[in-house]
Amino acid sequence: QKEVEQNSGPLSVPEGAIASLNCTYSDRGSQSFFWYRQYSGKSPELIMSIYSNGDKEDGRFTAQLNKASQYVSLLIRDSQPSDSATYLCAVSGGYNFNKFYFGSGTKLNVKP
Amino acid sequence: EADIYQTPRYLVIGTGKKITLECSQTMGHDKMYWYQQDPGMELHLIHYSYGVNSTEKGDLSSESTVSRIRTEHFPLTLESARPSHTSQYLCASSGGQGLSFGPGTRLTVT
Repeated sequence: QKEVEQNSGPLSVPEGAIASLNCTYSDRGSQSFFWYRQYSGKSPELIMSIYSNGDKEDGRFTAQLNKASQYVSLLIRDSQPSDSATYLCAVSGGYNFNKFYFGSGTKLNVKP
Repeated sequence: EADIYQTPRYLVIGTGKKITLECSQTMGHDKMYWYQQDPGMELHLIHYSYGVNSTEKGDLSSESTVSRIRTEHFPLTLESARPSHTSQYLCASSGGQGLSFGPGTRLTVT
């Protein structure tokens, strides 16, 4: 079983719609959760971090965490073509405190 | 804003050559990491360090080695490059709020 699971996509949404990206993790002791955006040929860029159950909003992005279900999600409101990228879910703080575990990423396509 | 530098950005080298990929950060972060990523594929952790004089192998077996003599510097060395080493190598550091990545080194071994 992989530490972090994501649907590889691609997820296609029309411009202006809400994109919903999901992630599950296996280590119940995990404490820190992150979403990264990676454009093709570029390095990952941190866009959201969340540490406690509930929602965290930052501009058009909302991260949601449910530790009981071991589930993390990212909502992108008013999706733009520039949001087209691969989104990586990452988890840390579990049994190997110093490691960051990444999912394989979900490719998002926002169609004009 | 994270400041992580990697050099070279692109490297094409012949089989059997020794190479060192440089990574430096200016944030004073104790934790540093090397990831390997092929185009369109997932990130694989190959080495990490908790601080000076501490290094650990990651989850993906790698023929590379690393050193951490100074907090800001975490170079990766391949003693004898092979075509199977062709990939993108990403360096990252953490001060406790997630990872900050450098721009990467794209390595091609011919």
